[in-house]
Amino acid sequence: VELVESGGGLVHPGTSLRLSCAASGFTFSDYWMTWVRQAPGKGLEWVANIKEDGGRFSYVDSVEGRFTISRDNAKNSLYLQMNSLRAEDTALYYCARDLNAEYNNDWYDTNDVWGQGTMVIVSS
Amino acid sequence: IQMTQSPSSLSAFVGDRVTITCRASQGIRIDLGWYQQRPGKAPKLLIYAASKLQSGVPSRFSGSGSGTYFTLTISSLQPEDIATYYCLQDFNYPRTFGQGTKVEIK
Repeated sequence: VELVESGGGLVHPGTSLRLSCAASGFTFSDYWMTWVRQAPGKGLEWVANIKEDGGRFSYVDSVEGRFTISRDNAKNSLYLQMNSLRAEDTALYYCARDLNAEYNNDWYDTNDVWGQGTMVIVSS
Repeated sequence: IQMTQSPSSLSAFVGDRVTITCRASQGIRIDLGWYQQRPGKAPKLLIYAASKLQSGVPSRFSGSGSGTYFTLTISSLQPEDIATYYCLQDFNYPRTFGQGTKVEIK
């Protein structure tokens, strides 16, 4: 089971970037997927997630309207299209698998598999 | 929902019992997980549903709490536990992490 992110780099403010996350070792289409980011020296920030079939998604307020999460189940790939990038978007971006774990007849959303991250630097 | 962890950092001896707290700004039932992030590494799931140990995680880790108050306890701190620990609520969207607690060895 593995997740490998790619697509990061150094970009100017206001420009766009598309991150990818390649999944292997599991049935990608069976899982929600998530993007989490971490600014240099800072804590973790949940960014967005997407349903198994791509039909539902959620975003943190700070990226709503600028970032778009998507997936291609035929290619076992998750994407994050980032537009109108700002300096505060500078971070290491992780993709993670969402596992719905059962406990006492209820279900809980966890992130049980993580990639190693791809770095995005937004600077002029 | 805001998640507030304390302390922000702590230093303890090998073998010590260590407790980290996480408070939610509103009730979140037991919809909370704990993650460990070792230096330079990706986060790792330790606990979900506030107290359920993820498969493969050492039994010295335990979680408790419900509603707005949660704790992560390491019963006997080991050198490999040096890391930053985060709580994450999965009660509603957007998901939110606590700010992290850095654990060091004295």
